[in-house]
Amino acid sequence: AQKVTQAQTEISVVEKEDVTLDCVYETRDTTYYLFWYKQPPSGELVFLIRRNSFDEQNEISGRYSWNFQKSTSSFNFTITASQVVDSAVYFCALSEDMNSGGYQKVTFGTGTKLQVIP
Amino acid sequence: DAGVIQSPRHEVTEMGQEVTLRCKPISGHNSLFWYRQTMMRGLELLIYFNNNVPIDDSGMPEDRFSAKMPNASFSTLKIQPSEPRDSAVYFCASSPGFSGTDTQYFGPGTRLTVL
Repeated sequence: AQKVTQAQTEISVVEKEDVTLDCVYETRDTTYYLFWYKQPPSGELVFLIRRNSFDEQNEISGRYSWNFQKSTSSFNFTITASQVVDSAVYFCALSEDMNSGGYQKVTFGTGTKLQVIP
Repeated sequence: DAGVIQSPRHEVTEMGQEVTLRCKPISGHNSLFWYRQTMMRGLELLIYFNNNVPIDDSGMPEDRFSAKMPNASFSTLKIQPSEPRDSAVYFCASSPGFSGTDTQYFGPGTRLTVL
């Protein structure tokens, strides 16, 4: 079973629209971390946010916001008033304990390609 | 500060040749990761080093792949012999602490094409 599911393969929106990227994860750990990374057309992965399992407070950073809900095992990402520069592939990732000396392995979702049309 | 540095950025080689990818992590970071990205399999962790010691190599596809980290500022990923199915983008990432709990900082990647 996939540990991180990003069901939306591709999304297209018109500039200035809001868009939400879904991420559903699966883990048996009580302590884990969730991440979002952005991969623009240039190819490099850029860190966006890191959240631990004990912090369910939603976070807002400019036009970006994240909604973490343990009850539904989801960590969704919303871009408000999208811009062309937001066009990229967005990856959600989960870090969980591998029961080996505290090592937590990171598993990435398959990514959601967002295209913002001017 | 310089980010993670990878070289070469692009590599084209013929099947059967040896390929060596290089990575310089961010100074002071204790963890180093090698990933492979393909359309079919997405982003896969190949190997993880902590303080220059391999901790998790369960993602290394087969014996043709090997990775070393002789010191805190340098790592290599070697493929010998290379095959067309190894064509992918290989990323190196580093993070300050131990394991995957910290933010990872990725290099620009090496795009490998095996003909």
